[in-house]
Amino acid sequence: DQQVKQNSPSLSVQEGRISILNCDYTNSMFDYFLWYKKYPAEGPTFLISISSIKDKNEDGRFTVFLNKSAKHLSLHIVPSQPGDSAVYFCAAMDSSYKLIFGSGTRLLVRP
Amino acid sequence: KAGVTQTPRYLIKTRGQQVTLSCSPISGHRSVSWYQQTPGQGLQFLFEYFSETQRNKGNFPGRFSGRQFSNSRSEMNVSTLELGDSALYLCASSFEGHLGAFFGQGTRLTVV
Repeated sequence: DQQVKQNSPSLSVQEGRISILNCDYTNSMFDYFLWYKKYPAEGPTFLISISSIKDKNEDGRFTVFLNKSAKHLSLHIVPSQPGDSAVYFCAAMDSSYKLIFGSGTRLLVRP
Repeated sequence: KAGVTQTPRYLIKTRGQQVTLSCSPISGHRSVSWYQQTPGQGLQFLFEYFSETQRNKGNFPGRFSGRQFSNSRSEMNVSTLELGDSALYLCASSFEGHLGAFFGQGTRLTVV
């Protein structure tokens, strides 16, 4: 049973537009949610996180929104750039520090 | 400072063999976690070591084991390899837990 789900395996966006990556979770006890970006042949790179007591966290072009009642979070990238093309993983952390990842969404930003 | 180093980068083994993968965390980091990445499955948590003790374990069979040394370096061992064990194995280090954990480039294991 997947506790963290990314239902869109891929997303294609025009350069300069907004990219919205979605993630759903089932466990209401998660403390933190994180987004990682992964390029081929590299390990995931931490992007941004949000505490379960917040509903928004912003860092430059990246904003993460958390809707606890819907058990849903999203990552907004605006404006999208070709260099943002990568696989994005959403992850949730429980109180024992275990990270549970979604299956990833491949983002392609078209020039 | 140096990042997380995983060795080897690529490995080919035959079914039934065993394999040991190594992870050197960022200096000062005490937590090392291991993940398996396969197409369509995302990253699945294997286990986490903190100060030489296994603190967390995922839902993998006992063929998957690990350990952490006093210098925080960690090894992961898979015995009696199966074809389905072919994957990218990633390790991540952090000082305390997973917030802001840094990942290595991974070891690509192919079982034939």
